[in-house]
Amino acid sequence: SAVISQKPSRDICQRGTSLTIQCQVDSQVTMMFWYRQQPGQSLTLIATANQGSEATYESGFVIDKFPISRPNLTFSTLTVSNMSPEDSSIYLCSACPQGPNTEAFFGQGTRLTVV
Amino acid sequence: LAKTTQPISMDSYEGQEVNITCSHNNIATNDYITWYQQFPSQGPRFIIQGYKTKVTNEVASLFIPADRKSSTLSLPRVSLSDTAVYYCLVGGSQGNLIFGKGTKLSVKP
Repeated sequence: SAVISQKPSRDICQRGTSLTIQCQVDSQVTMMFWYRQQPGQSLTLIATANQGSEATYESGFVIDKFPISRPNLTFSTLTVSNMSPEDSSIYLCSACPQGPNTEAFFGQGTRLTVV
Repeated sequence: LAKTTQPISMDSYEGQEVNITCSHNNIATNDYITWYQQFPSQGPRFIIQGYKTKVTNEVASLFIPADRKSSTLSLPRVSLSDTAVYYCLVGGSQGNLIFGKGTKLSVKP
């Protein structure tokens, strides 16, 4: 089992500002993943965060809007930049501590509301 | 990554067995099939994973036919607390999971 902690759990932000979401894993992992889940929808993969290299972004997501840091093997941050109401969503991080083709663990998510 | 298709919703009653079938026609040779459960306001939680034939754990069984183009998640004797969204995923061996729309299961008393 693994524990993934996210902070903050929720926030209400003004449009045009930025929010940084933190994700902490209780064990070392090679890759961490960031997802977005809009209300009533499925999860969409934003990017893969590799330690020691730049994140790999999925189609439709760019580094300028969602910069990611991965300073060590247990921690990552996702920043939502220059926010608009369309960025209101739940953001989740995940990791597979036991390696490829094993269980992925998810954080509880960060519920972001942009006003 | 292979695309998956599953029913949008299903209804059941407490104590019944629920079978959710997922279609994944383009599954690759190296792909595993994994099912996750998600409750409102929580992250997805792993249920079961398999490659072929049948896998069983304490909460569910997973049936995979020989051609691996589909799979069926079987939940025995569901309870109200099994009301959730169930996702079938294929591939994503490194953890880069591509979620489909999922099946919203409603269990009624």
